[in-house]
Amino acid sequence: QQKVQQSPESLSVPEGGMASLNCTSSDRNFQYFWWYRQHSGEGPKALMSIFSDGDKKEGRFTAHLNKASLHVSLHIRDSQPSDSALYFCAARTSGGNYKPTFGKGTSLVVHP
Amino acid sequence: GPKVLQIPSHQIIDMGQMVTLNCDPVSNHLYFYWYKQILGQQMEFLVNFYNGKVMEKSKLFKDQFSVERPDGSYFTLKIQPTALEDSAVYFCASSSGLGGNTGQLYFGEGSKLTVL
Repeated sequence: QQKVQQSPESLSVPEGGMASLNCTSSDRNFQYFWWYRQHSGEGPKALMSIFSDGDKKEGRFTAHLNKASLHVSLHIRDSQPSDSALYFCAARTSGGNYKPTFGKGTSLVVHP
Repeated sequence: GPKVLQIPSHQIIDMGQMVTLNCDPVSNHLYFYWYKQILGQQMEFLVNFYNGKVMEKSKLFKDQFSVERPDGSYFTLKIQPTALEDSAVYFCASSSGLGGNTGQLYFGEGSKLTVL
């Protein structure tokens, strides 16, 4: 079973619109969460981290974490064509399992 | 920002040959990782490495795979012999630690391996 599940698999939003990406983990030991963004032909780059329940806002990007429901989301407001990319949710436990586990990703297309 | 350098960017080899993928991690980072990505899909963990030793490896890290980082040189992934299913993009990453903020991974641009 996939430990980190992302939805939707793909998403298309108009320029200026809101994109909402979701991530659910099946391991209650996950404590640290990141969103990574990968543009075509490049390596993933960390976009945001979130470790505490609630919202974290950085510019146009807002992450939300609910540890009780094991749910993380990423919201992109005023989406731009340059936001078109593959978005990964990654999670890690606080000890023992040291590797971040990645979801399968959400492909976002922002169309003009 | 901090950069991870990977060499080569693309390698084409015949099945059964050996290949070495090289990674120059961020200079003060201590933890190193290799991930495998096929067709722009999921990032699949292969192995992580600290203080000269493998910390954890996945089922994808077959016996034909090995990693090392001789002092002051590249962190390398060696595959010997290669198989057709090894064709993928291999990403190296590094982190300064394992905690919250220090556990963030910095990825290279990837090494695309094509096995014929």
